[in-house]
Amino acid sequence: DTGVSQNPRHKITKRGQNVTFRCDPISEHNRLYWYRQTLGQGPEFLTYFQNEAQLEKSRLLSDRFSAERPKGSFSTLEIQRTEQGDSAMYLCASSFSDRSYMNEQFFGPGTRLTVL
Amino acid sequence: GQNIDQPTEMTATEGAIVQINCTYQTSGFNGLFWYQQHAGEAPTFLSYNVLDGLEEKGRFSSFLSRSKGYSYLLLKELQMKDSASYLCAVGRRAGNMLTFGGGTRLMVKP
Repeated sequence: DTGVSQNPRHKITKRGQNVTFRCDPISEHNRLYWYRQTLGQGPEFLTYFQNEAQLEKSRLLSDRFSAERPKGSFSTLEIQRTEQGDSAMYLCASSFSDRSYMNEQFFGPGTRLTVL
Repeated sequence: GQNIDQPTEMTATEGAIVQINCTYQTSGFNGLFWYQQHAGEAPTFLSYNVLDGLEEKGRFSSFLSRSKGYSYLLLKELQMKDSASYLCAVGRRAGNMLTFGGGTRLMVKP
């Protein structure tokens, strides 16, 4: 399967614990995005990378959230000191884009986080 | 700020045609995307409009008017498997970050 993959698919944690999610994009894609989706809502943009550079972060991304894409391939999203409000589906998407070509984002299956 | 509006729910009959509207107000417009999302699954890409007009892809068509901040997704020959949420999203700025509407939950009835 050459699609976007995410691990774990589900995570249950207690409030105050740290969690880390991983995203493996489609191999030739240079852009990687993180979104968060709560039930009945559309996804909300969190941050994105072009290759290994993190180029934009949403105001939604508090100091407890950090994302990395160290070699321009896979990415990790870490949430420190989780709160119940962090419970959501965390979606990763990737695309290939350059100045002359805009391509759609392909989404992974998501990691569902439940904070107790 | 960003504001994208679409109806919350729609119901249609198998074999019919349905139009899902989307209005938007956003800065740094870089294209209008439609995604389909079945319950518990990831969004999948349906269509992309960056210029005004109609884009047709099989049973699905999408229309854009940039001056009116308006788009619609047209689904023809509805099938039961088309029951899903349809997400309107605006790509913003050079990074093409997507701002999504709340989604329209479409129920197709026999």
